[in-house]
Amino acid sequence: DSGVTQTPKHLITATGQRVTLRCSPRSGDLSVYWYQQSLDQGLQFLIQYYNGEERAKGNILERFSAQQFPDLHSELNLSSLELGDSALYFCASSLRPSTDTQYFGPGTRLTVL
Amino acid sequence: AQKVTQAQTEISVVEKEDVTLDCVYETRDTTYYLFWYKQPPSGELVFLIRRNSFDEQNEISGRYSWNFQKSTSSFNFTITASQVVDSAVYFCALSEAHSNSGYALNFGKGTSLLVTP
Repeated sequence: DSGVTQTPKHLITATGQRVTLRCSPRSGDLSVYWYQQSLDQGLQFLIQYYNGEERAKGNILERFSAQQFPDLHSELNLSSLELGDSALYFCASSLRPSTDTQYFGPGTRLTVL
Repeated sequence: AQKVTQAQTEISVVEKEDVTLDCVYETRDTTYYLFWYKQPPSGELVFLIRRNSFDEQNEISGRYSWNFQKSTSSFNFTITASQVVDSAVYFCALSEAHSNSGYALNFGKGTSLLVTP
């Protein structure tokens, strides 16, 4: 158990819908990262937050957004969902926004029908 | 461009065999970190090791060992006396200290290891 929690574990929804994925980092970690794992793209970095502020963006679509709250949990919002958004979404946390080890949550498997 | 290359897509071995998973990386940064993660069939990503670019000393942890060679930009992972529980997808990843991606991990495509009894 990495100490990073993600909810829900599974999510099934329809095209055009909006969903919110939630992540709680390990106790004491201030930095949160979101990654997407799909069969065709592999593991891709989406976005990073540190202590409530966005620090870096990767290959995140404009339909996707995220935020980190004062209690340090983070939410990833996916809207206008398409079939191609079906993937495993991981949250990771580290102590600082540095090359510290990132510990991953169990992931949320999103299926868009 | 792919910064981390894991050329072996799938490897199948018989239990107790030794197996080496290859990882080649590409970076212009002088300060970087390399990682290995394991993804068992249950799907979670489990951290195995982190090495920085200034420490080329090989590391051994039980049946696992890692060989880091800057001269060939490689960070290979060897499992000695493999076991069925080692069956998983293994990812090599790179984090660069001076990247504009906030220390995000650049993952390879992964190597799927199947260990059969």
